[in-house]
Amino acid sequence: GAGVSQSPRYKVAKRGQDVALRCDPISGHVSLFWYQQALGQGPEFLTYFQNEAQLDKSGLPSDRFFAERPEGSVSTLKIQRTQQEDSAVYLCASSLEGNNEQFFGPGTRLTVL
Amino acid sequence: QKEVEQNSGPLSVPEGAIASLNCTYSDRGSQSFFWYRQYSGKSPELIMFIYSNGDKEDGRFTAQLNKASQYVSLLIRDSQPSDSATYLCAGGGFGNEKLTFGTGTRLTIIP
Repeated sequence: GAGVSQSPRYKVAKRGQDVALRCDPISGHVSLFWYQQALGQGPEFLTYFQNEAQLDKSGLPSDRFFAERPEGSVSTLKIQRTQQEDSAVYLCASSLEGNNEQFFGPGTRLTVL
Repeated sequence: QKEVEQNSGPLSVPEGAIASLNCTYSDRGSQSFFWYRQYSGKSPELIMFIYSNGDKEDGRFTAQLNKASQYVSLLIRDSQPSDSATYLCAGGGFGNEKLTFGTGTRLTIIP
């Protein structure tokens, strides 16, 4: 079956622009996670949804970051007024309910100039 | 101090030998542990998970967990050049919770 998909795969933004990153989880996976991975580092947790409910957003670095999953399937991570330090790979992962085995999408590489 | 620590390497192992990757964690509340493989420019791929003390084997891979010592390891037997990648250790709770990752160990298998 299809895995986690993300779009766009690459995004270049000028500093100050808003961006929206999309994640389509594995069908039937109720849990969805967003992570940020800087070069040479492990993924860092941003936020977590169970169905449409955002249960943990403790990893969002500032109020410029916002995530939603209105129908409990596709999720969007929005970054407003992008800064150079936002440049990273943004990874989405999904898992079955009650199961912490998370499967990652290909990621979106964001470059802020 | 990061909650999950790994030796960043690089670790070089001859083809056919055993590669040993280690990880320690500081949060005693962590209940589940995962090893992900990440090729350069690609996303993490889940290769092993372990919840209970002891060993868990899957093909050429063996994960080991020692909760008393807060230590997790991954052994790769009969190492192949295709095993060359960065290996990420991650800890989490039971059920659906965030994973806390180490910085990863870069492994190179030398033909």
